[in-house]
Amino acid sequence: KAGVTQTPRYLIKTRGQQVTLSCSPISGHRSVSWYQQTPGQGLQFLFEYFSETQRNKGNFPGRFSGRQFSNSRSEMNVSTLELGDSALYLCASSSLEGYNEQFFGPGTRLTVL
Amino acid sequence: DAKTTQPPSMDCAEGRAANLPCNHSTISGNEYVYWYRQIHSQGPQYIIHGLKNNETNEMASLIITEDRKSSTLILPHATLRDTAVYYCIVRGFLAGGTSYGKLTFGQGTILTVHP
Repeated sequence: KAGVTQTPRYLIKTRGQQVTLSCSPISGHRSVSWYQQTPGQGLQFLFEYFSETQRNKGNFPGRFSGRQFSNSRSEMNVSTLELGDSALYLCASSSLEGYNEQFFGPGTRLTVL
Repeated sequence: DAKTTQPPSMDCAEGRAANLPCNHSTISGNEYVYWYRQIHSQGPQYIIHGLKNNETNEMASLIITEDRKSSTLILPHATLRDTAVYYCIVRGFLAGGTSYGKLTFGQGTILTVHP
């Protein structure tokens, strides 16, 4: 079956703009998590959605937000972009809450100029 | 979630076993040990996980010490394609197996497999 897909794969924005990233989980998966990866901070958890509800949130400012739709697809939004938001944004899905592994997508590379 | 400590880098010859250690001395009873790896420019890939018994799958083996304070990921016959950053993660669960999906990644171990 198809893996986790993320769109777009690459994005260039300027400071002050906003951006929306999209993630389609593996069919049947209801949990979607988002991570930010930068050379300095590594992989950091942003938030997790399950059945359209945010269950957990990392330590990021309110400019970072997300949502999940009834078909489990998820979007994350970053408003008022800053240079430090340049990163690889990764989405991961898992089948059910529990011990299941997370399957990661290829990521969206965001560059803020 | 408990903190983990891994060596920053390791080398391994192709065809030999790669043994990647992880220290998680503050692990608690309901926390599992997970291993993921990330090949350059790709998303992390799940490898294996365990609670207290040793585990094996088609990719690797996981050896957890009896006191659960450390573990070792074993790639039995490393290939050049196993060159990646390997992350050891300790992940907690609530009663009944509910997890809140958060993986806390450390800096990982850069494994370089050379010919």
